[in-house]
Amino acid sequence: GAVVSQHPSRVICKSGTSVKIECRSLDFQATTMFWYRQFPKQSLMLMATSNEGSKATYEQGVEKDKFLINHASLTLSTLTVTSAHPEDSSFYICSELAPLGNEQFFGPGTRLTVL
Amino acid sequence: SQQGEEDPQALSIQEGENATMNCSYKTSINNLQWYRQNSGRGLVHLILIRSNEREKHSGRLRVTLDTSKKSSSLLITASRAADTASYFCATDASFGNEKLTFGTGTRLTIIP
Repeated sequence: GAVVSQHPSRVICKSGTSVKIECRSLDFQATTMFWYRQFPKQSLMLMATSNEGSKATYEQGVEKDKFLINHASLTLSTLTVTSAHPEDSSFYICSELAPLGNEQFFGPGTRLTVL
Repeated sequence: SQQGEEDPQALSIQEGENATMNCSYKTSINNLQWYRQNSGRGLVHLILIRSNEREKHSGRLRVTLDTSKKSSSLLITASRAADTASYFCATDASFGNEKLTFGTGTRLTIIP
């Protein structure tokens, strides 16, 4: 399958700071990427769909001003958690949509801990 | 919530035995996919089955799909310790927006 990287893999920050997570497509140009959040021992919940060159589409209940998504190139999407609070501590995973078909390739995830 | 349900939530079996996990979903789908997640890691795509398919095989994996019951099963034969992981089903709805809805997951533990 395709290779998707995320950076950083782990981040610990103080409450009130902003954290940027990068998701890179290494094998092909991805016009569509997805951002998910996973709380401990739970499933993945889709946060938003990131579209290259246009605004992201957010799922119901996800604050677009808090979770800023930028997909400025075909190989990079970024998620910025603004003014992070302890309840934002979670595992954030991105995925890219394969050019043909419905398969998604997932990044290794970023563990965010907000103190 | 449109999230699918998986059962069992947790499954422990002896190495060499077969493991069966089930997934139910709520809406009409284009396809259903199974993923594996090792603890604290990303997801690995295992297999995709389309809505017009009933069964699919890949190595030691066998997936069935029953669209009339809105359910799928994943069978892992001759389990190995390395199969220890969480397994999730994911569906994308038939109105084709390619978003995946994940099931609640099954935590599989293979006992050596």
